[in-house]
Amino acid sequence: LAKTTQPISMDSYEGQEVNITCSHNNIATNDYITWYQQFPSQGPRFIIQGYKTKVTNEVASLFIPADRKSSTLSLPRVSLSDTAVYYCLVFMIYNQGGKLIFGQGTELSVKP
Amino acid sequence: GAVVSQHPSWVICKSGTSVKIECRSLDFQATTMFWYRQFPKQSLMLMATSNEGSKATYEQGVEKDKFLINHASLTLSTLTVTSAHPEDSSFYICSARPSSTAFFGQGTRLTVV
Repeated sequence: LAKTTQPISMDSYEGQEVNITCSHNNIATNDYITWYQQFPSQGPRFIIQGYKTKVTNEVASLFIPADRKSSTLSLPRVSLSDTAVYYCLVFMIYNQGGKLIFGQGTELSVKP
Repeated sequence: GAVVSQHPSWVICKSGTSVKIECRSLDFQATTMFWYRQFPKQSLMLMATSNEGSKATYEQGVEKDKFLINHASLTLSTLTVTSAHPEDSSFYICSARPSSTAFFGQGTRLTVV
């Protein structure tokens, strides 16, 4: 399982764009990159998943360079409700029995 | 998306008693489920992999006799914390992977007094 490294914490203000970068130097060919969001006393919630280049959905964008050794989660115009811990995971999506190992995550604090 | 439901959301128990936490997949069948533990301000730590119809696989350092896992059906896995002690107080989360990603239960806050 590829190990991931993220900043421990980030601060932002409402309305700003936030970019959280994750390093995964030993990502394997069949691994996908997935980001989760976790609020206090709740289970993680899926945000976005990608393999290469750029993926965008209604809540975020995911940028993956050609070498795939890192990825960046981009949250446009954050609000106070985006204050949470964000986890980057790397795993094979077709191995549904495979366990997922969480890194330390990034605690995002959005201020008014 | 797929739904994973845990019960109870929180529980308080006395030292020495046992507590059972249920994890259900509501709209899919899960041959495999995962149990995590999370302490305050820390990340999720995988405890064990629950396999339907067979024994669970525990991560290194997790006591299998203390954390009993039963995966008796394709929609239900249970975690029983036996002879609970205050140090077992934590947030327990289950998960399943019905598709390309994983879905997590809402978690169970266990407090042992």
